[in-house]
Amino acid sequence: DTGVSQNPRHKITKRGQNVTFRCDPISEHNRLYWYRQTLGQGPEFLTYFQNEAQLEKSRLLSDRFSAERPKGSFSTLEIQRTEQGDSAMYLCASSQRIMNTEAFFGQGTRLTVV
Amino acid sequence: GENVEQHPSTLSVQEGDSAVIKCTYSDSASNYFPWYKQELGKRPQLIIDIRSNVGEKKDQRIAVTLNKTAKHFSLHITETQPEDSAVYFCAATPRDFGNEKLTFGTGTRLTIIP
Repeated sequence: DTGVSQNPRHKITKRGQNVTFRCDPISEHNRLYWYRQTLGQGPEFLTYFQNEAQLEKSRLLSDRFSAERPKGSFSTLEIQRTEQGDSAMYLCASSQRIMNTEAFFGQGTRLTVV
Repeated sequence: GENVEQHPSTLSVQEGDSAVIKCTYSDSASNYFPWYKQELGKRPQLIIDIRSNVGEKKDQRIAVTLNKTAKHFSLHITETQPEDSAVYFCAATPRDFGNEKLTFGTGTRLTIIP
């Protein structure tokens, strides 16, 4: 599968621990998005990058959350001092601005905070 | 910001019949409306999209209609098959540089009854 890749697929962590997720977009895509999806809900926008620049952040992204895309390729999403309410599926998507293509989603990282 | 409402939340349809899912949006600047299908445990996948300069788009058994005046758009699936069973999400975005995020509806769980 040469699509968007996310690691790990599943993460169980204790409350208060820090976690980091990685997303590798489709190689020619310069836009990368992070969404969060809870059970029975649609994906909620967290943040997005155009190359290495973080262009927009949702107010859902508290100061415990930080995202980076240092070289405009892969991205990481870190959650510090995790809370039970952070338990969700974290989805990454990528698209190519110039070609105006659809956003392709990765399989997601399911986070469970115990 | 944009707000997308989706109805119904669940829909059961006899195999071979048609299914219709409706969405409304609030931001008149939105001009791109994709529909995603998400099977259990899998990533959301784009099935069809429509841009605001088009009123209707069709792809085999799937069609989407858009009414910009009323700010609503609908997904139509004809001759439904068991493999159509999934959760369907509508989304909307202005898709202008600097404002690219997709706002999703809450999803419709479609069940096709054999």
